Amino acid sequence: SYELTQPPSESVAPGQTARIICGGNDIEFKSVHWYQQRPGQAPLLVMYHDSDRPSGIPERFSGSNSGNTATLTISRVETGDEADYYCQVWDGTSGVVFGGGTKLTVL
Amino acid sequence: QVQLQESGPGLVKPSQTLSLTCTVSGDSISRGSYYWSWIRQPAGKGLEWIGRVYSSGSTNYNPSLKSRLTILVDTSKNQFSLRLSVVTAADTAVYYCARMGIADVDGMDVWGQGTTVTVSS
Repeated sequence: SYELTQPPSESVAPGQTARIICGGNDIEFKSVHWYQQRPGQAPLLVMYHDSDRPSGIPERFSGSNSGNTATLTISRVETGDEADYYCQVWDGTSGVVFGGGTKLTVL
Repeated sequence: QVQLQESGPGLVKPSQTLSLTCTVSGDSISRGSYYWSWIRQPAGKGLEWIGRVYSSGSTNYNPSLKSRLTILVDTSKNQFSLRLSVVTAADTAVYYCARMGIADVDGMDVWGQGTTVTVSS
């Protein structure tokens, strides 16, 4: 089965840049989506097809995918960006696969 | 504005069947433009995909749950449902329904608020 690996946590100071990574075998050949989940809330799609932003998501959010790593980058981080972030792909055998999630702390 | 709302019992006894329904408003399942998915999240843990259904009734299931799982669609009511049999405490989680793009490479752009299901005697 296909697996996605994320670091459990990342921390960043307000105004700095956060980079959240998602590792998977040849992930560059898959379409990666990212979800933001604040405490007590449902996940929110913040990036799809590697680097497309849904309507309403700030331009501070960007995405990339190369080799075995996909990255969600959040520029000029705000306290409101503090949340859990999950990457997701589709695999022909496993179906929808989520990464384990990264807790972003804004110091 | 598309909205999804989960409903169903919040407490299920071990070995029984967990049944949930997701009601879709603001979009028509029968339009055939999306898949409709179920996802769950145990307290303090990550997201786990359960499965999805298309307007035709075609389904894809998480292999680890497939033997206990049935997902159905009722286009007349604009609803889809989840049935998970022989539940244990490990099935205790927040259950979400979500809309998923028609292509396998699409993400899930609309989510319900989630409903908590506890498996306990």
